[in-house]
Amino acid sequence: KQEVTQIPAALSVPEGENLVLNCSFTDSAIYNLQWFRQDPGKGLTSLLLIQSSQREQTSGRLNASLDKSSGRSTLYIAASQPGDSATYLCAVTTDKLIFGTGTRLQVFP
Amino acid sequence: GAVVSQHPSRVICKSGTSVKIECRSLDFQATTMFWYRQFPKQSLMLMATSNEGSKATYEQGVEKDKFLINHASLTLSTLTVTSAHPEDSSFYICSARGLAGGPTDTQYFGPGTRLTVL
Repeated sequence: KQEVTQIPAALSVPEGENLVLNCSFTDSAIYNLQWFRQDPGKGLTSLLLIQSSQREQTSGRLNASLDKSSGRSTLYIAASQPGDSATYLCAVTTDKLIFGTGTRLQVFP
Repeated sequence: GAVVSQHPSRVICKSGTSVKIECRSLDFQATTMFWYRQFPKQSLMLMATSNEGSKATYEQGVEKDKFLINHASLTLSTLTVTSAHPEDSSFYICSARGLAGGPTDTQYFGPGTRLTVL
């Protein structure tokens, strides 16, 4: 059974710091991995999608890497801003989308 | 981009009543829709997969008689929580996948429905 874990569960940092969020999964037989952002009480915003054959994807200040063989992905956020405060979820696609446990990020001014 | 809507955005009901939540794909046809629930400060858990014109496939531990799913058209799926109880209070999110239909195809998520059962 695929299990997806995210570390840390919560993170509070001052504005301007560079951040690394971690995601690990137990079964490497995945099609792709996605990172989502969720604001409180809201739905999901897709941030980045990495296909299983890819190593990384970048969008603006966000960079996500994938090491499928070791079952790990990282989301790197450069120069964090208060507007980045949200919960970040990773999810792997097998025959279904399986979500990780989430990292609650707070960036304070 | 593809848009998925949910209605209502929030609902409060009395214990024992039934509540219907709609999920619509607004600008594309969705052969497959998914229903998730999310408890406070927890991640999304898949409840069921709904294919247009056929019965939904429920995940282990999800009561199909309590959570009725209907996917009667390529743009609409409904989730009915029957005889709701306070423990059913949760955030319900749907997603839709387009006609290409494979597991690698993008799922587009709705904004969610907050259900509170008194």
